[in-house]
Amino acid sequence: SQTIHQWPATLVQPVGSPLSLECTVEGTSNPNLYWYRQAAGRGLQLLFYSVGIGQISSEVPQNLSASRPQDRQFILSSKKLLLSDSGFYLCAYEELPNTEAFFGQGTRLTVV
Amino acid sequence: AQSVAQPEDQVNVAEGNPLTVKCTYSVSGNPYLFWYVQYPNRGLQFLLKYITGDNLVKGSYGFEAEFNKSQTSFHLKKPSALVSDSALYFCAVRDRRNTPLVFGKGTRLSVIA
Repeated sequence: SQTIHQWPATLVQPVGSPLSLECTVEGTSNPNLYWYRQAAGRGLQLLFYSVGIGQISSEVPQNLSASRPQDRQFILSSKKLLLSDSGFYLCAYEELPNTEAFFGQGTRLTVV
Repeated sequence: AQSVAQPEDQVNVAEGNPLTVKCTYSVSGNPYLFWYVQYPNRGLQFLLKYITGDNLVKGSYGFEAEFNKSQTSFHLKKPSALVSDSALYFCAVRDRRNTPLVFGKGTRLSVIA
């Protein structure tokens, strides 16, 4: 069966510091991978998605970036965090031909 | 462009009563529709989906949803609400495979004992 791991669960970082959030999926190959951000416990904003290694699409221009160095690994990064980067970050995957996405447990990032 | 609207920020219902959480969508072609639930500080859990076929879709935990093409709606329903159903519910849509899900802003369901 497939599982998705996302870490860390919580993170407190100072403004201007770098960020690296990691997401890995087990039990599947060539999944579609997604990073979403949720602010204030409400709607989800799509940040990045990837349909294959090295293929990253960005939905929102900002100081975040994403990479997919391996088939089942998706990394969200920033060189310098802003206060506005605080939020709940969710990684998700889907395995074609299925159409539903499955989510990790999320990382709550607080930038201070 | 595809979009989803959840017109209610909050829905309150008494335990044992039926519940409905509303969702309307807009896509250019045939929709792929989904419902997810989120408990505090957790990721989203998949409840059910509509791709094609019967308009009434049954999912996890006794939830069901009805696809209505003429009204472009996909409302989530449950015949008898439980206190444990209290959570944040998201409707999502895509217009074809291999494209990202677009989510509504969520509806907070509160079931009162």
